[in-house]
Amino acid sequence: DQQVKQNSPSLSVQEGRISILNCDYTNSMFDYFLWYKKYPAEGPTFLISISSIKDKNEDGRFTVFLNKSAKHLSLHIVPSQPGDSAVYFCAAKRGGGADGLTFGKGTHLIIQP
Amino acid sequence: AAGVIQSPRHLIKEKRETATLKCYPIPRHDTVYWYQQGPGQDPQFLISFYEKMQSDKGSIPDRFSAQQFSDYHSELNMSSLELGDSALYFCASNGQGETQYFGPGTRLLVL
Repeated sequence: DQQVKQNSPSLSVQEGRISILNCDYTNSMFDYFLWYKKYPAEGPTFLISISSIKDKNEDGRFTVFLNKSAKHLSLHIVPSQPGDSAVYFCAAKRGGGADGLTFGKGTHLIIQP
Repeated sequence: AAGVIQSPRHLIKEKRETATLKCYPIPRHDTVYWYQQGPGQDPQFLISFYEKMQSDKGSIPDRFSAQQFSDYHSELNMSSLELGDSALYFCASNGQGETQYFGPGTRLLVL
């Protein structure tokens, strides 16, 4: 049972445009959400996070939106740059404590020049 | 800034052998997590430690064990290795916040 779902295995976006990556979750106990960027054979790199008490968090070109009632979050990257091409993982956990992260399957973002 | 250090970076073992992976967390981080990522898969949580005590347990096989030492580094011990254990193994750490910071991983190949 996949508790964190990223339904788009891949996404192609033109350079300079907005990239929107989506993530859905089913476990109501999750209250902290993170996005990671990953290149092959490297460790995930933390991008941005959001706790369930917020509905938006922004950091530079990256914005994460959380819709708790829909159990949905999205990552917006604007403007998209060639260096953004990578696999993006959505992850979730219960807040507090040393619980492990539950990951989605990832979305391969390709930025076209 | 200092990051999570993992060693070795690559490891080749035969079936039924044992392996030990090491993780050195970011300085002043007291919590360590282990994840396994198979080919084309998402990372799967194995186990975590806070202040040298096991904190959370995921899908870690009984053949695997782990511990955290007084200097906060952690070791993942894997015995009776199987072909299916071939994967990338990541360690992550955090301190006061919720964000987990990942190391570069150890690529284990079991032949």
